[in-house]
Amino acid sequence: KAGVTQTPRYLIKTRGQQVTLSCSPISGHRSVSWYQQTPGQGLQFLFEYFSETQRNKGNFPGRFSGRQFSNSRSEMNVSTLELGDSALYLCASSPENTGELFFGEGSRLTVL
Amino acid sequence: GEDVEQSLFLSVREGDSSVINCTYTDSSSTYLYWYKQEPGAGLQLLTYIFSNMDMKQDQRLTVLLNKKDKHLSLRIADTQTGDSAIYFCAESIPGGSYIPTFGRGTSLIVHP
Repeated sequence: KAGVTQTPRYLIKTRGQQVTLSCSPISGHRSVSWYQQTPGQGLQFLFEYFSETQRNKGNFPGRFSGRQFSNSRSEMNVSTLELGDSALYLCASSPENTGELFFGEGSRLTVL
Repeated sequence: GEDVEQSLFLSVREGDSSVINCTYTDSSSTYLYWYKQEPGAGLQLLTYIFSNMDMKQDQRLTVLLNKKDKHLSLRIADTQTGDSAIYFCAESIPGGSYIPTFGRGTSLIVHP
């Protein structure tokens, strides 16, 4: 069974730009969560999607958004990028109603 | 609210046992997880325990839970250099959102 796939793995953007990150979950997993990981703040929960609906949301500004498609694939978007958005963005999928998460390798975003 | 605390660093010698500690605050029934993150990779679920258990053993890994003190530990026997990684403790509440709350992670450094 293929694992969680995230693309792109690395990207560099400049302040003010926007970025879209993609995540393909493990086949059969309907829940997809996104996390931001930085040295200063650790692992911060962004949002979770289940059956194309945002089911849970962390404490991030509205510049951070996401969506999930009917095949469970998910994308997250960050608009008007700031230097502080530089981070590793991790996607995780899980079977229904469990805290067992299966993580992708992440997309490392650098904002210049 | 949920809060998970871990010490940031642990250094051990190869062949020794490592003990990584974690404290959590939620007193309701809960699942507690240990994840491992190797450099440049996402998180990998190592093991988990439900709060009605005291101990769980899986090969070199032993999880101990002191529910009274809300203290969780992960013991790695015969620690190897390949065990060098960041170890995250996480907690999730069944019946709630199931979204795990992660600690800041403990960097385990194994030296010869």
